[in-house]
Amino acid sequence: EVQLVESGGGLVQPGGSLRLSCAASGLIFSDFGMSWVRQFPGKGLEWVANIKKDGSEKYYVGSVKGRFTISRDNAKNSLYLQMNNLRAEDTALYYCARGAKSFAYWGLGTLVTVSS
Amino acid sequence: QSVLTQPPSVSATPGQNVTISCSGRSSNIGNNYVSWYQQFPGTAPQLLIYENDKRPSVIPDRFSGSKSGTSATLGITGLQTGDEADYYCGTWDSSLSAGVFGGGTKLTVL
Repeated sequence: EVQLVESGGGLVQPGGSLRLSCAASGLIFSDFGMSWVRQFPGKGLEWVANIKKDGSEKYYVGSVKGRFTISRDNAKNSLYLQMNNLRAEDTALYYCARGAKSFAYWGLGTLVTVSS
Repeated sequence: QSVLTQPPSVSATPGQNVTISCSGRSSNIGNNYVSWYQQFPGTAPQLLIYENDKRPSVIPDRFSGSKSGTSATLGITGLQTGDEADYYCGTWDSSLSAGVFGGGTKLTVL
């Protein structure tokens, strides 16, 4: 059974940083591109970033370019999202998802709240 | 404002059939596969349709997907009260080099 478990969310002040992690199991992690998708409170989904299976290519939504960095460690079956210079509008539930363009499996999400 | 356009809500009665539209442009739906997701309150989204019209094995055949030009459609036949949820379309946008979603459609089964 595929499991994706996010961690690392929390309350952070504007301008602060957080590093999200996603631990994957039940799949050959290195066979799949991976993505982060966020959901704003009470609202819809927004794709954030993806990374190819070997980490060779990464893409980001415009609003996070230069502030967020996606990475992975295939030896540890883990996906990461380094978030710097956080803004109030980054407040959301962040999901880890299997796939680069279509998302067959999702974690339960980790909540990021940016507030002073 | 989402890149892909969905109706905010649709409603129907049990047993009826319903469709949810998703409109985009050539850079996204027109040249990329479309996926559809179902989300119940307080839970993570679930993949319903991928590559425009393919269903994961766990998804019943009451759910179907289609694409024509720059629009896609999710169809649900024989509506059940358990289908009441939010539905999102998603695809890749080749101009943006980014994933994009519709704003979501709330399905109410009256």
